[in-house]
Amino acid sequence: KQEVTQIPAALSVPEGENLVLNCSFTDSAIYNLQWFRQDPGKGLTSLLLIQSSQREQTSGRLNASLDKSSGRSTLYIAASQPGDSATYLCAVRPKAAGNKLTFGGGTRVLVKP
Amino acid sequence: EAQVTQNPRYLITVTGKKLTVTCSQNMNHEYMSWYRQDPGLGLRQIYYSMNVEVTDKGDVPEGYKVSRKEKRNFPLILESPSPNQTSLYFCASSPRQAPNEKLFFGSGTQLSVL
Repeated sequence: KQEVTQIPAALSVPEGENLVLNCSFTDSAIYNLQWFRQDPGKGLTSLLLIQSSQREQTSGRLNASLDKSSGRSTLYIAASQPGDSATYLCAVRPKAAGNKLTFGGGTRVLVKP
Repeated sequence: EAQVTQNPRYLITVTGKKLTVTCSQNMNHEYMSWYRQDPGLGLRQIYYSMNVEVTDKGDVPEGYKVSRKEKRNFPLILESPSPNQTSLYFCASSPRQAPNEKLFFGSGTQLSVL
């Protein structure tokens, strides 16, 4: 059974510092991995989707890498801003599970001005 | 504006009183699903639908029903809610059931069952 873990559960950094968020998964047979942002009282917003054949995806200050063989993904957020404060979730789409996403527990990020 | 709309945003009810949480998307998406989010357990899939009249169970379907009579709507029905169904619920959709499609989420429904 696929399990997705995000450590740490919470992270606090000063504004301007680069953020590094980790995601690990137990089964490398996946279609893709997706990073989401969740703000309090709001839904999940998709940030980046990395196909299983890709090594990384970039969007603005965000860069996500994928190492399928080791079961790891890292989300980098450059030059963090207070507006980046949110919970970040990663989710994999396992090949064995049809259309289901398996989510990690999330990392709650606070960027202090 | 392209979006997934859930209603209500907040709901407090009592044990055993049937309720429905509605979900509607205006993007002509084929695939829709329901998740619940609980502290320490993350998001878990309840049911999903690959198209009209096609639904299937996710990881935690017990105590829930769904229907997909129209492409845009995917209501979640709790016939006899219990306190362990107190949770934050999300509806999501994607264009097709192809695995490499991004999921679009609604804003969530916070349900409390007393």
